[in-house]
Amino acid sequence: DTAVSQTPKYLVTQMGNDKSIKCEQNLGHDTMYWYKQDSKKFLKIMFSYNNKELIINETVPNRFSPKSPDKAHLNLHINSLELGDSAVYFCASSRRGEETQYFGPGTRLLVL
Amino acid sequence: AQSVTQLGSHVSVSEGALVLLRCNYSSSVPPYLFWYVQYPNQGLQLLLKYTSAATLVKGINGFEAEFKKSETSFHLTKPSAHMSDAAEYFCAVSTMEYGNKLVFGAGTILRVKS
Repeated sequence: DTAVSQTPKYLVTQMGNDKSIKCEQNLGHDTMYWYKQDSKKFLKIMFSYNNKELIINETVPNRFSPKSPDKAHLNLHINSLELGDSAVYFCASSRRGEETQYFGPGTRLLVL
Repeated sequence: AQSVTQLGSHVSVSEGALVLLRCNYSSSVPPYLFWYVQYPNQGLQLLLKYTSAATLVKGINGFEAEFKKSETSFHLTKPSAHMSDAAEYFCAVSTMEYGNKLVFGAGTILRVKS
């Protein structure tokens, strides 16, 4: 039933590791987004994809690589994790041409 | 370019009192405006949105907001605060010209005193 789901919900890992976060939406939307919420609760967009095509890439380090196997999924792979990557990552989706974005529950990443 | 300023990182009200959370925006094109609420350790829930229809927008949980172009404001109000309203509130702006990306304010933590 969940509209936008993310796995895992929590992720604790060591510096230098590589990890992935998965996002799936069952709303039939064709645009998906990744946002990062830092320790001060500030939210900022990282990427957006429309129909598997990268639309927005907001000066994110190239250690972060989004992958969209189909329009219902947008995964985020992070290489060589750093302490500063600790944050909550939110996935969202919308229908193309519509303004409302629906958010997933977030993935809380802690890098030790 | 777009930006959002939320005045007051913390707002404290008594239960039953008026809630007023302030948001000012900047946008070079007509914007869409949103208020989201985030409860502790939870995701973002859409409270209400402005999309160039009525300037007074009603949302869930008794909240409403008024778009004032002349003041570039979109303040959030609720006539009577409830304890369950305690949360963090985010104002955000987007436009299709910028790929519909949401630009968020820094958030306002609402505390409701009994």
